[in-house]
Amino acid sequence: ETGVTQSPTHLIKTRGQQVTLRCSSQSGHNTVSWYQQALGQGPQFIFQYYREEENGRGNFPPRFSGLQFPNYSSELNVNALELDDSALYLCASTPRGGNTEAFFGQGTRLTVV
Amino acid sequence: GQQLNQSPQSMFIQEGEDVSMNCTSSSIFNTWLWYKQDPGEGPVLLIALYKAGELTSNGRLTAQFGITRKDSFLNISASIPSDVGIYFCAGQWPESGGSNYKLTFGKGTLLTVNP
Repeated sequence: ETGVTQSPTHLIKTRGQQVTLRCSSQSGHNTVSWYQQALGQGPQFIFQYYREEENGRGNFPPRFSGLQFPNYSSELNVNALELDDSALYLCASTPRGGNTEAFFGQGTRLTVV
Repeated sequence: GQQLNQSPQSMFIQEGEDVSMNCTSSSIFNTWLWYKQDPGEGPVLLIALYKAGELTSNGRLTAQFGITRKDSFLNISASIPSDVGIYFCAGQWPESGGSNYKLTFGKGTLLTVNP
C-alpha cells in the first residue's frame, strides 16, 4: 500500500508568480484535503476534494484553487503569490464514508521571496 | 469558529519520565486525532478516538476522548529520545450535511527528551 506522496518537496517562487503543488493520495483513498502550515503553527484547512469537486473550503482567498483527477490525485494552485504564502503545504487523504483518519504526505515547503 | 487550545506549548523532560498533554475546544467534535510531526515532515497519525469517554492505547501512548466531547489528552509513558517532536491534537466534525471532514488543529506541544 503506497502512502500519500507530494511533489515537489521544496520550491522557491517570487512574489506575484503562480505555483502548482501535486499530491497522490494513498491507495484506496478517494478524498483529498489540503492544509497550509505556517512556521510554529498547526496546519490550517484550505479545502477538500471529493469526486473531482471542491467539497468544503477554509478561510482562504479564491487565488487558492485546486483540482482532483479521476485517479484521485490532486493539485493545489496558488496565483499572485504573496510573501505570507510561504509555508509547508500538506496534502491528506482519507477513505470516503464516515469518521476516518486523515493520512498526510511529507509536505511541500514553499518559500516566496 | 472552532478553536483548539493545546497545552503545554513545550515540555523538557528526562528520558524515562511520563508526559501528559491536552487539548480543549470551544465546540464539540465527533473525532479526536493525535499526530506527531518531525521537522520538515508531515504529521504522522498516532491515535484516533471516535466516542466520548473512549480510552485508546498505542504502545506507550494513551489518549482519551473527553466526556463533554470538547477535550482530549495524550499520555506518553517511559519517554525515550525518539519521542522528541511536535505533537498536535486535531478535532474533526463533518460540515455541509456530513460531506466535509476538515480537521481543526491545535498549535502543538514541542517535546524535548534529555537522554
